[in-house]
Amino acid sequence: NAGVMQNPRHLVRRRGQEARLRCSPMKGHSHVYWYRQLPEEGLKFMVYLQKENIIDESGMPKERFSAEFPKEGPSILRIQQVVRGDSAAYFCASSRPGQGATGELFFGEGSRLTVL
Amino acid sequence: GQNIDQPTEMTATEGAIVQINCTYQTSGFNGLFWYQQHAGEAPTFLSYNVLDGLEEKGRFSSFLSRSKGYSYLLLKELQMKDSASYLCAVSSNDYKLSFGAGTTVTVRA
Repeated sequence: NAGVMQNPRHLVRRRGQEARLRCSPMKGHSHVYWYRQLPEEGLKFMVYLQKENIIDESGMPKERFSAEFPKEGPSILRIQQVVRGDSAAYFCASSRPGQGATGELFFGEGSRLTVL
Repeated sequence: GQNIDQPTEMTATEGAIVQINCTYQTSGFNGLFWYQQHAGEAPTFLSYNVLDGLEEKGRFSSFLSRSKGYSYLLLKELQMKDSASYLCAVSSNDYKLSFGAGTTVTVRA
């Protein structure tokens, strides 16, 4: 019973390049959440998606960041024209419908982005 | 906005008890959660409190006082494997968690 799968685990990009982070939720989970963790800081909510639908993107920076969760395939967090400040660990979590409120979020092991 | 405070670091001896406090100020409240995160790994769910009082689960217990905006996580009979970061998180609605910066607990032999 595979957990939340994220790839790549580590990604290095130069300033101005694009970063694509993928997340496959747990089997049976249709809700996906992306969080960002900066060094010495807590996890910060970015976006909440259901299949083909963005429910809440209030934590997403207004520019360069986008997320999708298509009908088929993983959820993707895309960062265009990366800058050094984007260096962080990006965690994906998933839940069944209605269980996000009880904290029953299952997290992936994160994708660590380093921007040179 | 959300404001969640917890100590940065704590150190304790194997077999001892450690209490990690968390205070919060949030615009809404739908529950308080504790997660454990080992370095380089995924956060894993430990506990959920939505009513005042103590929830016990094995060696770990979590307490909540909504009127005081306060919670603690109690770790008993500490083991070396308990060395990790412990994250306090508050839900202000049905799905969004706001996390504290985490408390790094170091267990010494």
